[in-house]
Amino acid sequence: QKEVEQNSGPLSVPEGAIASLNCTYSDRVSQSFFWYRQYSGKSPELIMSIYSNGDKEDGRFTAQLNKASQYVSLLIRDSQPSDSATYLCAVNRSNYQLIWGAGTKLIIKP
Amino acid sequence: DTAVSQTPKYLVTQMGNDKSIKCEQNLGHDTMYWYKQDSKKFLKIMFSYNNKELIINETVPNRFSPKSPDKAHLNLHINSLELGDSAVYFCASRRDSHRETQYFGPGTRLLVL
Repeated sequence: QKEVEQNSGPLSVPEGAIASLNCTYSDRVSQSFFWYRQYSGKSPELIMSIYSNGDKEDGRFTAQLNKASQYVSLLIRDSQPSDSATYLCAVNRSNYQLIWGAGTKLIIKP
Repeated sequence: DTAVSQTPKYLVTQMGNDKSIKCEQNLGHDTMYWYKQDSKKFLKIMFSYNNKELIINETVPNRFSPKSPDKAHLNLHINSLELGDSAVYFCASRRDSHRETQYFGPGTRLLVL
């Protein structure tokens, strides 16, 4: 079992709809969870971080964390073509190291 | 001002050559990383240095040798380049806390012919 798992996609969502991206992790002691966005040919950039169970909202983005079920998700409301990218889930292993999922490719269709 | 910078951005070279990639961060972070991202986009950690000390050394061929002259710089030297080394290499840095995010450089696109 991989430490951090994501569906590789591609996930195709119509413009204006909600895109839902999921990530599961295996290490129960993980404390911090991150969503990064990576456009083709660019470096990953942080979208959201979440540390406590529940929802965290930032504009059109909502991160959801459920430590009991060991999953973290990212919702993107009112999806735009500019949201088309690969979304990477990362989970801390220690103060120094993040464990990365393989990423989900999201395609927003106009 | 670029927070994490890498040079060069593109590197095309022949098999068997030796090459170096340089990374610098001006964020005052204590920890720096080298990642390899292959064509399938998986980010694989290679090395990490904390205050010039090697703290993460994943299963990487010993042809790859990192060097950190100070905590703002982390370089990567690759000997005897092979076709399979072709990838994008990202440098990143981070403060020492589980809550802190990693900031990435723009990447170095290495193509070995």
